Amino acid sequence: QQQVKQSPQSLIVQKGGISIINCAYENTAFDYFPWYQQFPGKGPALLIAIRPDVSEKKEGRFTISFNKSAKQFSLHIMDSQPGDSATYFCAASIGQAGTALIFGKGTTLSVSS
Amino acid sequence: GAVVSQHPSRVICKSGTSVKIECRSLDFQATTMFWYRQFPKQSLMLMATSNEGSKATYEQGVEKDKFLINHASLTLSTLTVTSAHPEDSSFYICSAMVASEITGELFFGEGSRLTVL
Repeated sequence: QQQVKQSPQSLIVQKGGISIINCAYENTAFDYFPWYQQFPGKGPALLIAIRPDVSEKKEGRFTISFNKSAKQFSLHIMDSQPGDSATYFCAASIGQAGTALIFGKGTTLSVSS
Repeated sequence: GAVVSQHPSRVICKSGTSVKIECRSLDFQATTMFWYRQFPKQSLMLMATSNEGSKATYEQGVEKDKFLINHASLTLSTLTVTSAHPEDSSFYICSAMVASEITGELFFGEGSRLTVL
């Protein structure tokens, strides 16, 4: 059973465009929803995270939208740049219990210049 | 942010040998560390949860006798791949949680690429 479903698998966006990646989760006990960026051969790096008490969080060009009733959350990258080309993973955990993160399958983003 | 260091970053070994990977939290104490495995172009799969001073908890399907995890101190966890075989070749990534801040945030190491010949 896949607890965190991520789509699309790959995404091509023009420079300056908006990249949107979606995730859906199963476990209603999850209370921590981060997005990670990973470059080839490197460990994942935290981009932005949200908790279910807010519906949106913005940090620079990155925004998370959260829909608790639908059990969905998404990452929006505004003004996408070639340097944003990477693999993005959504994840979820029961943060208050200190559990491990469960990751989505990842989205490979390519931003064309 | 908190820094997690992994060593070695790359290792090549012969089939049948054992390899040890170290994961250190450099500027914080971590009572809990997590080990993940990532195959090429795939997601991170949780292998085990490592708690300082106690036995690791392994995920279903992960052989505890093959992947030995030791968390002897609040800043160090090790993963030993015993009797490695080519199918164990993968990217192993550790992560740690700040002991005093149970928020869910995990800090990841840079990963260790294991190649078994």
